[in-house]
Amino acid sequence: SAVISQKPSRDICQRGTSLTIQCQVDSQVTMMFWYRQQPGQSLTLIATANQGSEATYESGFVIDKFPISRPNLTFSTLTVSNMSPEDSSIYLCSVSLGTGTRLREQYFGPGTRLTVT
Amino acid sequence: GQQVMQIPQYQHVQEGEDFTTYCNSSTTLSNIQWYKQRPGGHPVFLIQLVKSGEVKKQKRLTFQFGEAKKNSSLHITATQTTDVGTYFCADNYGGSQGNLIFGKGTKLSVKP
Repeated sequence: SAVISQKPSRDICQRGTSLTIQCQVDSQVTMMFWYRQQPGQSLTLIATANQGSEATYESGFVIDKFPISRPNLTFSTLTVSNMSPEDSSIYLCSVSLGTGTRLREQYFGPGTRLTVT
Repeated sequence: GQQVMQIPQYQHVQEGEDFTTYCNSSTTLSNIQWYKQRPGGHPVFLIQLVKSGEVKKQKRLTFQFGEAKKNSSLHITATQTTDVGTYFCADNYGGSQGNLIFGKGTKLSVKP
């Protein structure tokens, strides 16, 4: 298993500003993921962040809006840039411990609740 | 694009009653993972189904994967108040990359 922490746990930000969310894992992992979850809604994958390569973004998400860093195997950041109220959501990071064809479950961080005013 | 439909959206049961949530896709699912999210919490992995027709049990929970790998279900026998939460199915469409597409979830409430 993996233990994941996120900072901040919540924040209230003004529109037009940016917020960087940190994700720390207690073990080295190759695959990390960033999701967005509106309250009471499902999870939507933003991007996959594998160490040593550029993040891969899902349809509807772009690097200019959600730049991601993955400097090592235990850490990643997601920045929500030029925020608007529509960006208010819960942002979660997750990791998968499997590699190659060995499909594995994902472990999620506690999430960052972002409110944009 | 890839879509995973999940029904019902909400389910209210009396404690002791059974509960089932269904996950469907118009295309063949790679494999199905099931997660539980308690109110205010984050998703927690329950199980993964890979093989056609696979059935797995965890105490009062029974998970099934359809023969055509286009549907899956989670059945809880004799619900308890600790079962409260939202249950999500997720298709691992990314294969070895691990990308998941989640269903909309079924929110279960249990009346004691």
